[in-house]
Amino acid sequence: GAVVSQHPSWVICKSGTSVKIECRSLDFQATTMFWYRQFPKQSLMLMATSNEGSKATYEQGVEKDKFLINHASLTLSTLTVTSAHPEDSSFYICSAGESGQGRYEQYFGPGTRLTVT
Amino acid sequence: AQTVTQSQPEMSVQEAETVTLSCTYDTSENNYYLFWYKQPPSRQMILVIRQEAYKQQNATENRFSVNFQKAAKSFSLKISDSQLGDTAMYFCAHTGGFKTIFGAGTRLFVKA
Repeated sequence: GAVVSQHPSWVICKSGTSVKIECRSLDFQATTMFWYRQFPKQSLMLMATSNEGSKATYEQGVEKDKFLINHASLTLSTLTVTSAHPEDSSFYICSAGESGQGRYEQYFGPGTRLTVT
Repeated sequence: AQTVTQSQPEMSVQEAETVTLSCTYDTSENNYYLFWYKQPPSRQMILVIRQEAYKQQNATENRFSVNFQKAAKSFSLKISDSQLGDTAMYFCAHTGGFKTIFGAGTRLFVKA
């Protein structure tokens, strides 16, 4: 199946700083990518949908000025957590959707563990 | 609005036995997809099985099969011949309009 990578796999940053997470589709072009957040022992919560060349669509309750999403190419989307605080510590997962011929599949990255100290 | 409900937070099964995980959903979409994903301790999401809502036939994938009841909006996962490697979190998911919503998950323990 298709492969989605994330970088970094884990990051520790100081409170007040910004951190960028990259999501790449390695062997296919992804017009749509998704960003999820997962707290320990909880489910994946959709944060935003990222479309190549246009602004991201954020879910209700997600601060778009805090979680900046850029989808500059068909293989790369980035999530920047600005002015990070300890409550932003979480596991962030990206995915890329692919559809065609009546089927739809979502490929997930391995996730990025963010710890804000 | 889309919702996905998994009412079993934890389940356990003896190795080689069969277990069924429950999932119900609500949707306003006419065309949608349903999925079961496995998340092992590595936290990598792994697709277990998918079901297109327009297909009446229940999907099967080796030891994994679903019971898709469209009118009841039910989508349960049956794991046959459970193996120790099946121990993981299992998430039911609904995709409609290219937006995927996940259930709360069921933690499955397979006991030797």
